Amino acid sequence: DTAVSQTPKYLVTQMGNDKSIKCEQNLGHDTMYWYKQDSKKFLKIMFSYNNKELIINETVPNRFSPKSPDKAHLNLHINSLELGDSAVYFCASSQDRQGWNGYTFGSGTRLTVV
Amino acid sequence: RKEVEQDPGPFNVPEGATVAFNCTYSNSASQSFFWYRQDCRKEPKLLMSVYSSGNEDGRFTAQLNRASQYISLLIRDSKLSDSATYLCVVSPRADKLSFGAGTTVTVRA
Repeated sequence: DTAVSQTPKYLVTQMGNDKSIKCEQNLGHDTMYWYKQDSKKFLKIMFSYNNKELIINETVPNRFSPKSPDKAHLNLHINSLELGDSAVYFCASSQDRQGWNGYTFGSGTRLTVV
Repeated sequence: RKEVEQDPGPFNVPEGATVAFNCTYSNSASQSFFWYRQDCRKEPKLLMSVYSSGNEDGRFTAQLNRASQYISLLIRDSKLSDSATYLCVVSPRADKLSFGAGTTVTVRA
């Protein structure tokens, strides 16, 4: 019974395409996140939502648009994909926006743009 | 300066050895601290929180030094299964976690 599940696990697509990654958590957490892990292994916050409200929007190109239909779901849509978007994208959730109890991560979506 | 800096390693140690490593953080107002573990091609998983007085969880001991702005992780009696990348995580403000790039530990038989 996966706590944070994201789909697809792998995504290979051509430059210029538009793609979406979906994330769902069944932990009853209030806050969800998208992180990007590049080839240098740094995990960088992209967005966070608390009860469907956007609370963090780091310096991410506006080709990336998150959507949270309810607090259990946070999807990521990417327009006009570029080679530099190739990375692993992790969805995560925490009990509340403070995150004192840590984050639970999904298994990641490995995006390759060719 | 990066918010969280770690020695990337790798630390190659034999089974049963003790291994320790630090990470430094730049924001003195940071509120909370964690160690996460990430296996190859897997998601990060919370290993332990780090408390001001230091804390232990089995073979793992974490310390926090606010004056020098670093946290440490010590692994005693290393097991093969401890081989992983250990991510230092700091919360510079209440709703954000900043991750280090990780320290790779390889335990050999």
